Amino acid sequence: AAGVIQSPRHLIKEKRETATLKCYPIPRHDTVYWYQQGPGQDPQFLISFYEKMQSDKGSIPDRFSAQQFSDYHSELNMSSLELGDSALYFCASSFSSRVSNSPLHFGNGTRLTVT
Amino acid sequence: AQKVTQAQTEISVVEKEDVTLDCVYETRDTTYYLFWYKQPPSGELVFLIRRNSFDEQNEISGRYSWNFQKSTRSFNFTITASQVVDSAVYFCALSDSLRNSGNTPLVFGKGTRLSVIA
Repeated sequence: AAGVIQSPRHLIKEKRETATLKCYPIPRHDTVYWYQQGPGQDPQFLISFYEKMQSDKGSIPDRFSAQQFSDYHSELNMSSLELGDSALYFCASSFSSRVSNSPLHFGNGTRLTVT
Repeated sequence: AQKVTQAQTEISVVEKEDVTLDCVYETRDTTYYLFWYKQPPSGELVFLIRRNSFDEQNEISGRYSWNFQKSTRSFNFTITASQVVDSAVYFCALSDSLRNSGNTPLVFGKGTRLSVIA
């Protein structure tokens, strides 16, 4: 079965650079979520989109932005990178209906290292 | 406010032992979902189970079983006859309310690192 695809798997950037992470949700899933997981930490919610509109916002820094495109893929843009942005970034997707929502399925993550 | 507490930071067991991972949650909603995810050393987050607040039936899947007790707000996870491949960080998570505009985001516990020793 198709899963959530994230690219790239690994990314190394220097301080003050920018980075773009991409996420391709499971086909027919209408909601995309971004999470950040620091070393030894639990995943922290950043932002989510439902049908290409932002639906929830978590602890996303102002330096970060995200959007969901017409083909439902999503991109997380990160500017003025700081050492503390080094983390594993997960994208997840789910399907919603009036009766029940599907569980969140996560991609394999993008490991960002800022030097 | 939602909160998930996994009091056990690390657990170490010998292979073939049974182990229970505890999860206690807080929410003001009457409709909510509880989840368990596994994160092996390779880093991915693997969905294990979802349980909604109206279904208190316990569930068994192979060596895995889950005990949902609404009265004590707990959703514990037991691995029977543990194996080395079970070594991972296990996260309990909560998503409250059901709405048409997508799932509400998951709130994770801090995770429990399970080490199974051969």
